[in-house]
Parts: sequence; structure tokens; C-alpha cells
Amino acid sequence: DGGITQSPKYLFRKEGQNVTLSCEQNLNHDAMYWYRQDPGQGLRLIYYSQIVNDFQKGDIAEGYSVSREKKESFPLTVTSAQKNPTAFYLCASGGTQSNTIYFGEGSWLTVV
Amino acid sequence: GEDVEQSLFLSVREGDSSVINCTYTDSSSTYLYWYKQEPGAGLQLLTYIFSNMDMKQDQRLTVLLNKKDKHLSLRIADTQTGDSAIYFCAERDTGFQKLVFGTGTRLLVSP
Repeated sequence: DGGITQSPKYLFRKEGQNVTLSCEQNLNHDAMYWYRQDPGQGLRLIYYSQIVNDFQKGDIAEGYSVSREKKESFPLTVTSAQKNPTAFYLCASGGTQSNTIYFGEGSWLTVV
Repeated sequence: GEDVEQSLFLSVREGDSSVINCTYTDSSSTYLYWYKQEPGAGLQLLTYIFSNMDMKQDQRLTVLLNKKDKHLSLRIADTQTGDSAIYFCAERDTGFQKLVFGTGTRLLVSP
């Protein structure tokens, strides 16, 4: 199947730990995105990448890091510096010349 | 900067039409999108409209764009209980190709 795969679906993190959320796409899209969604709220952009080996900060990048070593993959690391990481994280991808941006099914991160 | 606003809640009866409204600020937006989110799930792309169009119809969905007022609407004809979800409006900026989202409108369809 073609699409965007996020893993894990549910993740629990202890205080002070870094965790990495995986996002893989087989749509041959150049651009990839990470968004954060808090309960009852809209989506806020964390990081985005328009091409391999390049990425830009979004509106709420503090406490997060990303890499884009391969076109298909855009992992997000939630570091211990992120003060309130409990949220729903959504990965998306889109062609830079196309009209459509598709989302994965999301990952729930809870700090325990 | 960009800003997208939506009303928070809409309640309709099954079989009625639903109209969800959105306003945006970035006049350079190229595409405007509607996404649907069911509980605990990702966002499903419903439809999109290019900024030089006024209307787009796709089965039960009709998108209307008023560029002068920067107003976008999504009409769902013959609304069903399965349409109950949160609907997000988003604009895509020309410079960075990213999406800016509204806060979402929760649609509740009652039998």
C-alpha cells in the first residue's frame, strides 16, 4: 500500500528521556512535515523539510529535533528539553509541485 | 503572518446540509484545503481548491471561495451520522509550501 506510516502509535516517556517518532512515506514526496496537536486544538507546525538533508523550524521547534537523511524518512526526536511533550503528533508529506498533502495516522506520546 | 479562523462547533440533523466556514489572512495563498479528522485518527484530505477558482464540487462536497473577503466554506449535502468529525481548513503558503491550519470545527450530526 502507498502512504505514510507513523510508529509507534502509542508511546510513553519518562521524565528526562528522549524519544524518537518514526515517519516513513513511499509516495516519492519531496516535502515532509511534523505537526503537534493538543486536545481540542488545531495543528501547530514543529519542523518541515522540502528536500533531503535540509529542514526548517516551524512555529514550535524548541525541544524537538529532526533529520532528513533519506527522502522516505523524517524522524522526530522529542528531547528532554521539551517541557510539555504529551500530545498527538502527526506527520505529513507532499510533493513540492503537487497540490496534495497527506497525513499519517499519528502517534500519541504521553509523559509518565 | 498567516492566520486561519473557524467556528468551533456545528450541530445538524441527519439529511440536512452542513456549511462549515473559514476565514484566512494570507492573500498569497495558492491552495486552500479541507481535512476531516475522526477521533484518535490522522487527517483525511477531503478536497482542495486553487486560489483562482470560485467553486469546486466533489460528490456531496461543495467548496466556495470568496477571495475578496478571504472566506472559504465547505458544504456537505445530505449530511450523515458518519460525517460527524472535526473539519479543518488550511491554507498553503507560496513561499514555504507548508500548511497553516484553523482550530477545527466539530460537526455533530444527530439522527
